[in-house]
Amino acid sequence: GAGVSQSPSNKVTEKGKDVELRCDPISGHTALYWYRQSLGQGLEFLIYFQGNSAPDKSGLPSDRFSAERTGGSVSTLTIQRTQQEDSAVYLCASSLSGGGSRANVLTFGAGSRLTVL
Amino acid sequence: DAKTTQPPSMDCAEGRAANLPCNHSTISGNEYVYWYRQIHSQGPQYIIHGLKNNETNEMASLIITEDRKSSTLILPHATLRDTAVYYCIVRVARNEKLTFGTGTRLTIIP
Repeated sequence: GAGVSQSPSNKVTEKGKDVELRCDPISGHTALYWYRQSLGQGLEFLIYFQGNSAPDKSGLPSDRFSAERTGGSVSTLTIQRTQQEDSAVYLCASSLSGGGSRANVLTFGAGSRLTVL
Repeated sequence: DAKTTQPPSMDCAEGRAANLPCNHSTISGNEYVYWYRQIHSQGPQYIIHGLKNNETNEMASLIITEDRKSSTLILPHATLRDTAVYYCIVRVARNEKLTFGTGTRLTIIP
């Protein structure tokens, strides 16, 4: 697609429920990143995919968080047993791969705003 | 990745050039300087990047000092829509997590 698409744009859920957030990257971008941003805070890295594998999961805050990517395209971030502190905007980005400098040119989606009541 | 230092906030009058500085004194020879910005409630947006030569695109200009220890992002004619947090990131050309620091909050004054 023309840009990075994320869905849902807004999600309100009750504490303890599971949620799935979806990211559809730019066609041809094999690198995909998830970040989150709590209200008034900075960007927090969660996980990075190269194709379908995740070489860096270092930012996932707990084992309640998981992500997968299939077909080298769409990625899903799953949060199990949501807690109020999970409330944040979850941002997905994609970029080209390879050794060129554009590997660090990330295109971000509009984000999914998660509110846990 | 080399550490970067940016002022926490700056103001600029609308229509004037906004000059945002970034110090990266420990930059290594294969590290690029990248600039992003984040307008309130939106995802970060890539602006420009460079290695050692000055760069210009439709959004901004990037001036890198000869010793590469600092750089300046220039928005030539700032508008109210340029109010955002601007991030300077230094890293090698490799797919890995990109770490966004605290950046500079630029406010364009009418």
